[in-house]
Amino acid sequence: QVQLVQSGAEVKKPGASVKVSCKASGYTFTSYGISWVRQAPGQGLEWMGWISTYNGNTNYAQKLQGRVTLTTDTSTSTAYMELRSLRSDDTAVYYCARVIVTTTGDWFDPWGQGTLVTVSS
Amino acid sequence: DIQMTQSPSSLSASVGDRVTITCRASQSISSYLNWYQHKPGKAPKVLIYDASSLQSGVPSRFSGSGSGTDFTLTISSLQPEDFATYYCQQSYSPPRTFGQGTKVEIK
Repeated sequence: QVQLVQSGAEVKKPGASVKVSCKASGYTFTSYGISWVRQAPGQGLEWMGWISTYNGNTNYAQKLQGRVTLTTDTSTSTAYMELRSLRSDDTAVYYCARVIVTTTGDWFDPWGQGTLVTVSS
Repeated sequence: DIQMTQSPSSLSASVGDRVTITCRASQSISSYLNWYQHKPGKAPKVLIYDASSLQSGVPSRFSGSGSGTDFTLTISSLQPEDFATYYCQQSYSPPRTFGQGTKVEIK
């Protein structure tokens, strides 16, 4: 079945970087883009960015521009999200999601199980 | 950025109730609207895409309607497994944006 499996929880100090992985299985990795979405404690869902697994093109949320980098390794069907200069308000559960695109729209399905990133001194 | 506003932010309902959640976009988004269900500790799950198309495997008690700026998610007969937070999300233009969520709780 189609599945996205993310790496485990991380604890980082302010100013550090974190890199979360998202390994895809059950489908052709390069046929669908990957988006990343995060949820801070008690907050809603926030879209972070998107990467084309076909050619590596990216699109980032403006508030994260310069701090976030999305990459992929097609040889292992894995997507990565790196966030730098971490702050306490980056504490959140980070999700990857496959992007389904049709002529009438796009949506996220499925999602990874989530990775908790805690930023604390 | 397109702002998505859901109402209510939370609601209490009983098993068997009909539940309606509203989502309003800050500009017209045609039918580029998706609905997700999110339970604590689980990955979000798409219920409805393109405003009214039911995702495969999702029970038929879930339905979506609307176009332009106003959209509705309806659960025709609330079941115990439906207690969760529901989010709308627009796919009309980047950045993709979500509503703030509607938490459906047991009455």
